[in-house]
Amino acid sequence: QQQVKQSPQSLIVQKGGISIINCAYENTAFDYFPWYQQFPGKGPALLIAIRPDVSEKKEGRFTISFNKSAKQFSLHIMDSQPGDSATYFCAASISSGGSARQLTFGSGTQLTVLP
Amino acid sequence: EADIYQTPRYLVIGTGKKITLECSQTMGHDKMYWYQQDPGMELHLIHYSYGVNSTEKGDLSSESTVSRIRTEHFPLTLESARPSHTSQYLCASSAGWNTEAFFGQGTRLTVV
Repeated sequence: QQQVKQSPQSLIVQKGGISIINCAYENTAFDYFPWYQQFPGKGPALLIAIRPDVSEKKEGRFTISFNKSAKQFSLHIMDSQPGDSATYFCAASISSGGSARQLTFGSGTQLTVLP
Repeated sequence: EADIYQTPRYLVIGTGKKITLECSQTMGHDKMYWYQQDPGMELHLIHYSYGVNSTEKGDLSSESTVSRIRTEHFPLTLESARPSHTSQYLCASSAGWNTEAFFGQGTRLTVV
C-alpha cells in the first residue's frame, strides 16, 4: 500500500518557468513532510521540509504548499534553472508516539529544465 | 557534506559470493536505514535501526541482513549474491523520525 503518492513521474520545464510537483498522503498521523533532491550518482539530500501547523514554507526559489484537509502537499520551484534538473522525492513521517515511524517516500519525479 | 560514508562505491561480483556493504556515520545518529534504489527510481526501505542492537525489516522484503553493534556502523550483508540483487544500495541516518535524513553516496552493486 503506497502511503504517499507523487505526481507527475516526469516533468519538463523551460528555463525560468515554474515547476510544480504534487504529493498526496493517506495517513493523517503524518506530521513531517520533507522534499529531497537527488542528482545522478548521489544520494538524496534534504531540500525543504514543512510541518502541518503551517500552510506554506518558502526557502529561496523553493516553496512547499500544504493542504491538511485535502491531505496534499506540493513543491513549487520558481524561476527553474537547468541546475535544478534532478529527481525530487516527497516524503512523510510520524515523529512521536506509539505510531512513530521513519520516512515514507513518494515514487519520485524526474525534472528536466531546458536551457 | 554529510558525514556518512559508504564503501565500496561500485562492486561487481559473481553469483553466489558473500558480500558486505559498509556504512558509517560520525554524527552520533541513533537511527540508520538501508534503501534499495534502481537509478532514478523509487526508494525502497529494506532495513532500519533504532540504535545499537536494534534492527527491523523495512517495507520491501530483502534477502540481506544487517547488524548494529556500534552506533556509527550499520553494515548490510548478502550471504549469496544473485543477479536479482543488482541495484543501488543507499544508507542513511537521522537523529529522529522528523529530522533531516542524511544519505551516503550509495553502493552500485552488479551481480554477474
